[in-house]
Amino acid sequence: QSVLTQPPSTSGTPGQRVTISCSGSSSNVGGDTVTWFQHLPGTAPKLLIYISDHRASGVPDRFSGSRSGSSASLAISGLRSEDEADYYCAAWDDRLNAWVFGGGTKLTVL
Amino acid sequence: QVHLVQSGAEVRKPGASVKVSCNVSGYSVTEVSVHWVRQAPGKGLEWMGGFDPEDGEAIYAQRFQGRVTVTEDTSTNTAYLDLTSLTSEDTAVYYCATGLRNFDYWGQGTLVSVSS
Repeated sequence: QSVLTQPPSTSGTPGQRVTISCSGSSSNVGGDTVTWFQHLPGTAPKLLIYISDHRASGVPDRFSGSRSGSSASLAISGLRSEDEADYYCAAWDDRLNAWVFGGGTKLTVL
Repeated sequence: QVHLVQSGAEVRKPGASVKVSCNVSGYSVTEVSVHWVRQAPGKGLEWMGGFDPEDGEAIYAQRFQGRVTVTEDTSTNTAYLDLTSLTSEDTAVYYCATGLRNFDYWGQGTLVSVSS
């Protein structure tokens, strides 16, 4: 059972916009340290978003992050086939004194 | 250029220990936190622990307390993850990660297989 809650899967068609949610609490997501990763099988995870809405270097502006209270979202616009991957949110938890992850969301591009 | 190069795959029997290394180039391990994250087969990413250079303290996920130790060798700029009392549930790919935003750069991963 992950501390952060993500939907297990989502899908979209090329060109579409999809969002992935990440729900937590005031001690983690509420602390504005939300980080998003893209993970392709057999490769190392890739940092997409940090501090909730800051894009990492080299990440296309099709990817955007937002946060409201204890919930965060990753939006991917102009969906492409190469976006098919697992997406994880993470945040520093002040109460646990640890980084906590969501269970991951598998994005399928139809 | 920042690169994290991890040690090779390991096979251990239940009850044994394993030590995974992560050589960092492009940053000094004294100026950034090096984190350890693992992924078991069919499971998600899981943070295990890290070394905070600000206070020289190691921090660990509660579920690994007592079984995991993270250390750093500043002379070789290498971070280490030591995991003891292995069970089959520790079979996973172990990653190191670091950077100014904590997880900017990742190692290639080290497969640790635990089997009798």
